[in-house]
Amino acid sequence: GAVVSQHPSWVICKSGTSVKIECRSLDFQATTMFWYRQFPKQSLMLMATSNEGSKATYEQGVEKDKFLINHASLTLSTLTVTSAHPEDSSFYICSAKRQGANQPQHFGDGTRLSIL
Amino acid sequence: AQTVTQSQPEMSVQEAETVTLSCTYDTSESDYYLFWYKQPPSRQMILVIRQEAYKQQNATENRFSVNFQKAAKSFSLKISDSQLGDAAMYFCAYRPTGANFGNEKLTFGTGTRLTIIP
Repeated sequence: GAVVSQHPSWVICKSGTSVKIECRSLDFQATTMFWYRQFPKQSLMLMATSNEGSKATYEQGVEKDKFLINHASLTLSTLTVTSAHPEDSSFYICSAKRQGANQPQHFGDGTRLSIL
Repeated sequence: AQTVTQSQPEMSVQEAETVTLSCTYDTSESDYYLFWYKQPPSRQMILVIRQEAYKQQNATENRFSVNFQKAAKSFSLKISDSQLGDAAMYFCAYRPTGANFGNEKLTFGTGTRLTIIP
């Protein structure tokens, strides 16, 4: 199997606080993890790609200081939304893949972030 | 840059009937992967089917099959014998091949919401 767990599934917090979202590959080693953002009724937009032990590669327009990504182990990546504001409210989804060009991405269940 | 277009924001089909979802894409690459993902109300993205561009044979997974037209850059999904559990958002996605780090990115279309009518 290839199970990816994301935590928390839903978080509500006040404007100005920082929020950390975890993405774990439960039964495989994920050399590469991806973080996506999805607005209501829209598609997934890739925010960043990270390889274990390396700095994340951010997509154009994504603030790296705002969205901190850490991929410290082969089973865990975290996304921290720093000083969150209402416009950061969205659905955040991670995916993970094994090493190898032919390996598919396996997605987590997503995290709904609501900033008041 | 690669783009993926899904021109049908919503589709509906009678239970047990067949429905086809459209997807077109634009790329200058000759080899790549194409995917259909399903996102039910639970929001988890589930891989439905995958096609490798160098393979001429259309991929099939049980009730799901694709019509891959490489020259036309078209990749439609056919769902046969539609079931209530097929109701979801369906996203078409593109990914280049190759082992380069940057080639692992998925580019998604805007999605098609499929409703199954009992």
